[in-house]
Amino acid sequence: DSGVTQTPKHLITATGQRVTLRCSPRSGDLSVYWYQQSLDQGLQFLIQYYNGEERAKGNILERFSAQQFPDLHSELNLSSLELGDSALYFCASSPRQGESTEAFFGQGTRLTVV
Amino acid sequence: AQSVTQPDIHITVSEGASLELRCNYSYGATPYLFWYVQSPGQGLQLLLKYFSGDTLVQGIKGFEAEFKRSQSSFNLRKPSVHWSDAAEYFCAVATNFGNEKLTFGTGTRLTIIP
Repeated sequence: DSGVTQTPKHLITATGQRVTLRCSPRSGDLSVYWYQQSLDQGLQFLIQYYNGEERAKGNILERFSAQQFPDLHSELNLSSLELGDSALYFCASSPRQGESTEAFFGQGTRLTVV
Repeated sequence: AQSVTQPDIHITVSEGASLELRCNYSYGATPYLFWYVQSPGQGLQLLLKYFSGDTLVQGIKGFEAEFKRSQSSFNLRKPSVHWSDAAEYFCAVATNFGNEKLTFGTGTRLTIIP
């Protein structure tokens, strides 16, 4: 158990809908990262938040957004869903920036768009 | 931009045999290199990482990896595999010290035969 909790574990929704994925980082971790794992694109970095602020952006679509709340949990919002958004979405957390630290991954949320 | 290549999509080895998984990276400066393992239905677990210093790094579960700058490689090895090592293995690179925004390779699926 990495200490990173993602909910829900599975999500099935229709095209055009909007969903919210939730991530609770390890206790005390300030950084949260979101990754997408799909058959087409492999594992891709989407976005990073550090202590509530966006810190780095990767290949995140405009239909997707994220935020990190004062209690440090994070949510990834996916809207206008398309079939191609079906993927495993991982959250990871790490303690602080500027240090040699490891990112701890949650077990992921499997999103199926039908 | 940095990139990671894992040339072997699928490798099959016998239990007790040695293992080497290949990883090549492309990055102009000193990379920060990682190997992660993903078991079915699980998140990613860090096996080992290289930031600086000794180019041969030891990880968990008996794995080791060697950083070779001249070959831009960071191959993962294990002298004797166990059936429980069957999983998907990902090599990843980060470009900023302490920044875990990772660029992943496409992964190598390891099958163990009795």
